[in-house]
Amino acid sequence: GAGVSQSPSNKVTEKGKDVELRCDPISGHTALYWYRQRLGQGLEFLIYFQGNSAPDKSGLPSDRFSAERTGESVSTLTIQRTQQEDSAVYLCASSAYTGSGNTIYFGEGSWLTVV
Amino acid sequence: AQKVTQAQTEISVVEKEDVTLDCVYETRDTTYYLFWYKQPPSGELVFLIRRNSFDEQNEISGRYSWNFQKSTSSFNFTITASQVVDSAVYFCALSRDGNNRLAFGKGNQVVVIP
Repeated sequence: GAGVSQSPSNKVTEKGKDVELRCDPISGHTALYWYRQRLGQGLEFLIYFQGNSAPDKSGLPSDRFSAERTGESVSTLTIQRTQQEDSAVYLCASSAYTGSGNTIYFGEGSWLTVV
Repeated sequence: AQKVTQAQTEISVVEKEDVTLDCVYETRDTTYYLFWYKQPPSGELVFLIRRNSFDEQNEISGRYSWNFQKSTSSFNFTITASQVVDSAVYFCALSRDGNNRLAFGKGNQVVVIP
C-alpha cells in the first residue's frame, strides 16, 4: 500500500489477556520500527527490525512484550498478560533503510485500552 | 545520551498569528539528524522536515519555517499566519544512532483559535 498500515485501529481488552498488533510497512522498506505513545506523552522507542532481524530489543518494556517480522514485510507486536499500564497508542513506522537520516513514515497507530 | 526537550506543552494562538515551537537537543554525536512531525487528532504522525547536522541553513516551506542553530543546539519551528488546520501536536525528534531510532520530545500541543 501507499502508507504504513496498522490493525486493529482500536482494541479494548481485559487485563490479563494477550493482544496482537499488526503492521504492514511501506512496500520495499527494509526497516521497521515500533513506538509506544502513552496519553499526553511523547513517543517511546520499543524495537526495530532490519529485514527480519531485531538487533536490539532493549526498548521493550518487559518480557511480556515481543515482536516478530516475516518476509521482510509484516510485523506483529504481541503483548502477553496485558496490564492497565500497557494502555497506549502503538505506532509502527518504516523507512527505506536503517541508516541515519532516512525519513521514517508512521502509521496511524493501534489504540490499545486495557480494562 | 540523546535527549530532546520541547519545553512548551500547550500553546494557544488566534488564527493568523505566528507561533514558534522551541526544540533543544542533546547529543554527543557529530553527525545526527533532526526531524519535525505533526500529529493531528487522527493520530498519524506526518513527516514535516529532516535536517542533518552539517546543514545549518534555515528552511522555509510555505507557511512553515525552521531555524537550526548548532551553537545553541536548537531546531525551532515557526508557523506563520496560523490556521485552524494547524491545530495538532508537533514533535521534534533526533535520530540517535546509525539505525535511525528516534528520540522524541514530549511534543507541543498547538491550538489555533478561529
